[in-house]
Amino acid sequence: NAGVTQTPKFRILKIGQSMTLQCAQDMNHNYMYWYRQDPGMGLKLIYYSVGAGITDKGEVPNGYNVSRSTTEDFPLRLELAAPSQTSVYFCASSQGGHGYTFGSGTRLTVV
Amino acid sequence: DAKTTQPPSMDCAEGRAANLPCNHSTISGNEYVYWYRQIHSQGPQYIIHGLKNNETNEMASLIITEDRKSSTLILPHATLRDTAVYYCIVRVAFSTGTASKLTFGTGTRLQVTL
Repeated sequence: NAGVTQTPKFRILKIGQSMTLQCAQDMNHNYMYWYRQDPGMGLKLIYYSVGAGITDKGEVPNGYNVSRSTTEDFPLRLELAAPSQTSVYFCASSQGGHGYTFGSGTRLTVV
Repeated sequence: DAKTTQPPSMDCAEGRAANLPCNHSTISGNEYVYWYRQIHSQGPQYIIHGLKNNETNEMASLIITEDRKSSTLILPHATLRDTAVYYCIVRVAFSTGTASKLTFGTGTRLQVTL
């Protein structure tokens, strides 16, 4: 069991570029989440999904888009990268209940 | 979800018990207390949760006061590998069809020393 896999682990983007952060889970969890964590801060929810085809905004969705075409995958898209999006991005999944499983994160720098 | 208050940092000697407090004075009757930790820059890790009774698992114990306005996470024999940021989170119980969203604050940075 790999759990939650995020790729890439590191990425440097230029302002205005686009990229997709990949997230995949092999636990058949219905619920998936994207968080960002700025230095010295807690995690903030960007988007979440309660199942394939269903997504909703979290606390800080501006500048991001998501899709959920399968149970396993929940990619996060940045269309026009800005320096304010420099952060560490964490994907997580859960099957209801109480425990989230987090990925190891993607460290993104926008210059 | 109710707001939580945690000290920004704590120290603990290796082998001793680490007691991490959390205040949640506005907690509602249907809200659970969760604890997660984040080691260095890794993704957060679930530790334990509880509603009103004290809970224990292989990682830690959770003590919730009778009025539920505060709780304490206890690591019985802290090791250097327990050095991390510990998050106390309060949220309503999960219900099918809704996302069990968690709101993370800034947590307590626990430093375990020799």
